Amino acid sequence: DAGITQSPRHKVTETGTPVTLRCHQTENHRYMYWYRQDPGHGLRLIHYSYGVKDTDKGEVSDGYSVSRSKTEDFLLTLESATSSQTSVYFCAISPGQGDYGYTFGSGTRLTVV
Amino acid sequence: DAKTTQPTSMDCAEGRAANLPCNHSTISGNEYVYWYRQIHSQGPQYIIHGLKNNETNEMASLIITEDRKSSTLILPHATLRDTAVYYCIFAQGRGNEKLTFGTGTRLTIIP
Repeated sequence: DAGITQSPRHKVTETGTPVTLRCHQTENHRYMYWYRQDPGHGLRLIHYSYGVKDTDKGEVSDGYSVSRSKTEDFLLTLESATSSQTSVYFCAISPGQGDYGYTFGSGTRLTVV
Repeated sequence: DAKTTQPTSMDCAEGRAANLPCNHSTISGNEYVYWYRQIHSQGPQYIIHGLKNNETNEMASLIITEDRKSSTLILPHATLRDTAVYYCIFAQGRGNEKLTFGTGTRLTIIP
């Protein structure tokens, strides 16, 4: 999607290793979000950010940490990857003013073996 | 958590109007109804949103009942590319919501 990119697009990693996913935006939006999507669960919020160095937990935050040192970048880290974290991860952004929709990235497919 | 109820799946013939219902009986007065769709494994795509009045854009129309407890998304002339999972969500529209996605409606357009 225009203005938001996720990297990598695909990753396979071993159980117990740390993994960092990156979300980069060029829209200068204030809010950034990390979701995971698993079959039968829809999208579930992991963490979100409402400004540089301002983050908060979502409904499935255990095992994940985030950082936002710049407006344009929001990093999601799996401290010690487990097989239950095999999922598709989506980043989203929003400006935080008025009534509008979120913009989602194309996703990162992570497999933990 | 904000909850919506949608049919699990629907079919629609190509070229016909697709009408996707959503119940949101717990919506409050300042919450908007949003519709997103997800095609294959792509990221969800914003379609339309509304508060009280019916809305129309280049993609779809949104009809909200007077009591705001339900809404219908209308794709006026469905094409095969409209095959997707459609999500109905409500939120206050300030951009800082933790949007809750349900499992949505899987719409299949039949040639």
